[in-house]
Amino acid sequence: ETGVTQTPRHLVMGMTNKKSLKCEQHLGHNAMYWYKQSAKKPLELMFVYNFKEQTENNSVPSRFSPECPNSSHLFLHLHTLQPEDSALYLCASSRGGGQDQPQHFGDGTRLSIL
Amino acid sequence: SQQGEEDPQALSIQEGENATMNCSYKTSINNLQWYRQNSGRGLVHLILIRSNEREKHSGRLRVTLDTSKKSSSLLITASRAADTASYFCATGAGSYQLTFGKGTKLSVIP
Repeated sequence: ETGVTQTPRHLVMGMTNKKSLKCEQHLGHNAMYWYKQSAKKPLELMFVYNFKEQTENNSVPSRFSPECPNSSHLFLHLHTLQPEDSALYLCASSRGGGQDQPQHFGDGTRLSIL
Repeated sequence: SQQGEEDPQALSIQEGENATMNCSYKTSINNLQWYRQNSGRGLVHLILIRSNEREKHSGRLRVTLDTSKKSSSLLITASRAADTASYFCATGAGSYQLTFGKGTKLSVIP
């Protein structure tokens, strides 16, 4: 039990589908993050939310749409994805939003775009 | 870029040996963190070392930081098969963003 739960663990979707990834943290943290992990590339930060407010958006294409209804839940809505979007999507949380806080990660959603 | 870069990319050792991984970065940092990732799992935080610290220990882990050389090392002593994983350094220099390297893949052979 990592304290950060991601669902689903695996997702296969076509390019025209719409799906959502869910992340829930039980650690009482105030900041939540979405990362993309592709083979042989560094972990890429996509979005940061601190106290439900989006504080970072690293030039992510609009086909990825985040939602943070409260400090415990984070969603990533997906639509019209491309094959290059196939990757492991990791959610993380931290006590505060600063970069001096350890981040706690979920086990990710393995996304495959057909 | 302040991206950390780990070296070597892959490391294979016998159980009981020590494993050393290095991380280099390019700009000034406030802190540096090390994470471990087992296959098919998320990252697990190991150690955070601040820019005014030179060395930190946690169990079998020892981390050093040399800000003059912009480098850090992670030493795992008396390695075990369960230490097999990828290890990442992450640097923080401001705002909310941690910048991760590509990782070192460690294999510990029983």
